[in-house]
Amino acid sequence: KAGVTQTPRYLIKTRGQQVTLSCSPISGHRSVSWYQQTPGQGLQFLFEYFSETQRNKGNFPGRFSGRQFSNSRSEMNVSTLELGDSALYLCASSLGYAGNEQFFGPGTRLTVL
Amino acid sequence: GNSVTQMEGPVTLSEEAFLTINCTYTATGYPSLFWYVQYPGEGLQLLLKATKADDKGSNKGFEATYRKETTSFHLEKGSVQVSDSAVYFCALSSGGSQGNLIFGKGTKLSVKP
Repeated sequence: KAGVTQTPRYLIKTRGQQVTLSCSPISGHRSVSWYQQTPGQGLQFLFEYFSETQRNKGNFPGRFSGRQFSNSRSEMNVSTLELGDSALYLCASSLGYAGNEQFFGPGTRLTVL
Repeated sequence: GNSVTQMEGPVTLSEEAFLTINCTYTATGYPSLFWYVQYPGEGLQLLLKATKADDKGSNKGFEATYRKETTSFHLEKGSVQVSDSAVYFCALSSGGSQGNLIFGKGTKLSVKP
């Protein structure tokens, strides 16, 4: 069974640009969650999508948005990039019910210059 | 709000030494508790989990017991190997869905031969 895949793996952008990251969950998984990992703040929850609906949201500004498609693939978008958005963005998928394990992808390393 | 506190690293041990990484949590209700491991350049992998008080999660020689009275979920291993070198994250999930994990800051473990 293929794991969670994220594209691209590395990305370099400049301040003010926008970026879109993609996540393909494990087949059959309906929940996709996104996390931001930085050395200073650690791992922080961004949002979760389940069956194309945002089910949970973390404490991030509106510049961070996401969506989920009918095949459960998910994208997250960051507009008007800031230097502080440089991070590893991790996607995790699960069946989406209590007690289900989250499976993480390898992440997308975003660098904002 | 919910939070997780785990011991600061880095932790350096010799091969076959005993490992303890402390983790305490603050949460309302009855959260599920997890230990994740992150190897260099990779995403997170679930190491073990416990979903109710007094449950013991175990995997690959690692163990952790859900202690509600002390709000703790300490990770232990009797004899570490060089291959255990990684960053370990304690996490909790409250509520019905598993899409919102709250992580500790992570503890980097280095095992020397």
